[in-house]
Amino acid sequence: GDSVTQMEGPVTLSEEAFLTINCTYTATGYPSLFWYVQYPGEGLQLLLKATKADDKGSNKGFEATYRKETTSFHLEKGSVQVSDSAVYFCALSEKTSGSRLTFGEGTQLTVNP
Amino acid sequence: EAGVAQSPRYKIIEKRQSVAFWCNPISGHATLYWYQQILGQGPKLLIQFQNNGVVDDSQLPKDRFSAERLKGVDSTLKIQPAKLEDSAVYLCASSLVPANTEAFFGQGTRLTVV
Repeated sequence: GDSVTQMEGPVTLSEEAFLTINCTYTATGYPSLFWYVQYPGEGLQLLLKATKADDKGSNKGFEATYRKETTSFHLEKGSVQVSDSAVYFCALSEKTSGSRLTFGEGTQLTVNP
Repeated sequence: EAGVAQSPRYKIIEKRQSVAFWCNPISGHATLYWYQQILGQGPKLLIQFQNNGVVDDSQLPKDRFSAERLKGVDSTLKIQPAKLEDSAVYLCASSLVPANTEAFFGQGTRLTVV
């Protein structure tokens, strides 16, 4: 079945540091890939997505590239801010499974001033 | 545009009691999902509706969980009887169509079973 594996957390960085959160997936077909973010006390929000190989999703300074050859979708940001502190979830969706989202375990990011 | 509404936000019950959660999706969204998020884990799908029909309930513990979506709009998720391991956040999400489009999530209902 489909699965998503994220790097273990939590991750603590200083403001303006470079961020990478690793995500790899296993799927039977050609999934769409997503990063969702959950800020404290709020619901899950879509951060970015990519629907086919080599696509790059980007939003709010975050980027992730769909790498079919390595089955990865790593999240990066060049300079994090305190306001980026949140839990980040990598997820995939396949049409063959009704397009439900399969999530990774989540990575807690804390950015200190 | 109003988001996905869920109620209640918090619920504490004793084991073996019953509980129900309510979800109102974004207007016009045909697809509705219920996810269970146990502390420290990613959300896991319980059930998916397309309009008022069930698309996927393969991971719903049907001996104690039930869900319905009357008239293809609002939905309720019920647990009866609750167990300690049901303590989690129950998330409702909706999307316009199921084909890899963005799912919009509610704030969730945090259930504690004591």
